[in-house]
Amino acid sequence: DQQVKQNSPSLSVQEGRISILNCDYTNSMFDYFLWYKKYPAEGPTFLISISSIKDKNEDGRFTVFLNKSAKHLSLHIVPSQPGDSAVYFCAAKGYGGSQGNLIFGKGTKLSVKP
Amino acid sequence: EAGVVQSPRYKIIEKKQPVAFWCNPISGHNTLYWYRQNLGQGPELLIRYENEEAVDDSQLPKDRFSAERLKGVDSTLKIQPAELGDSAVYLCASSLSGDNSPLHFGNGTRLTVT
Repeated sequence: DQQVKQNSPSLSVQEGRISILNCDYTNSMFDYFLWYKKYPAEGPTFLISISSIKDKNEDGRFTVFLNKSAKHLSLHIVPSQPGDSAVYFCAAKGYGGSQGNLIFGKGTKLSVKP
Repeated sequence: EAGVVQSPRYKIIEKKQPVAFWCNPISGHNTLYWYRQNLGQGPELLIRYENEEAVDDSQLPKDRFSAERLKGVDSTLKIQPAELGDSAVYLCASSLSGDNSPLHFGNGTRLTVT
């Protein structure tokens, strides 16, 4: 059973517009959430994170929103740029022991069109 | 800072053959992870090390997979014998100790078993 779900395999957005990538989780023990970006033939790179004590974290064009009651988080990219085209993975973890391991979603492929 | 280095980048072997992957983590990172990523999926943890100690190997298929991290730095992951279903990208990652330190991934080894 998937604990971290990214239900949209792909997303296409026009350059300059907003990209919204969604992620749902089922494990209520998760307390830290991360987004990773992956280009072809490269490993995932860390993008932004959020702790469960917050509902928003912003870093430049990237903002992550967390809705704990809905067990849902989203990544907003504004404005989107062609270089943002990549696969985005949502990941979550709990505290300590095996709960401290990152659980990844299947990813969403973002295409930003010029 | 130099990133996580993995070798080889690509490996093609016949089933029942052995194969080994090597990882050099970021200097100073005590925690090392091996993940496996199947096509269209997110990375899945195989094993996590804190220094030389494997603190979580619950997802490692121990009948054919083995790993070691001598001296708490470099690590190797071995498969013997390989099966067709082992074809995947094997990712190594490292992080500082501490629950919410982001993982830094290498570029992975793409294994094809024929």
